Amino acid sequence: DGGITQSPKYLFRKEGQNVTLSCEQNLNHDAMYWYRQDPGQGLRLIYYSQIVNDFQKGDIAEGYSVSREKKESFPLTVTSAQKNPTAFYLCASSSLYEQYFGPGTRLTVT
Amino acid sequence: AQSVTQLGSHVSVSEGALVLLRCNYSSSVPPYLFWYVQYPNQGLQLLLKYTSAATLVKGINGFEAEFKKSETSFHLTKPSAHMSDAAEYFCAVSEREYGNKLVFGAGTILRVKS
Repeated sequence: DGGITQSPKYLFRKEGQNVTLSCEQNLNHDAMYWYRQDPGQGLRLIYYSQIVNDFQKGDIAEGYSVSREKKESFPLTVTSAQKNPTAFYLCASSSLYEQYFGPGTRLTVT
Repeated sequence: AQSVTQLGSHVSVSEGALVLLRCNYSSSVPPYLFWYVQYPNQGLQLLLKYTSAATLVKGINGFEAEFKKSETSFHLTKPSAHMSDAAEYFCAVSEREYGNKLVFGAGTILRVKS
């Protein structure tokens, strides 16, 4: 089955620790995206990548980092510099117009 | 920059009643428009899309939306609500000139009463 996988579903970390969220797709899509979702705020773009070894900051990139070494993979690291990291994180990929989303990772930092 | 406004953060309808979720956009170029649905703790699923073909777009689960350029609107409708339609719905516009990035509205939570 083609699709996007995100792991883990739930993630708990202590404040001050970096944490990496996984995103893998087998849709052969060139573009991939990371969004953050908070209640009542819709989805906000963190980073996106249109091709391997290239990525751009989105609207809220501060405190986050990404890499795109393989077409299939686009991991997101939430660093200790992110002031309010607790949120639902969604990964997506696209070929033409529409984006396809993974199931999300809920990160809780205490 | 493009933007999306969804009127009403919460909409409540009775089972069998008409569903109308409102979306207005701003765009300096002809837009691509999308409606997505999200069930609790899940990812987003594409309901339907407008990509400059027919202005009345039919999607999955009986939903449809009409692109009205003069009103800069793309409202989502369904003639008869079902309990399984209860979810959060997001309208999005594509910034085609920036690698197909999507700009999302804040979302509308649909409640269906029995």
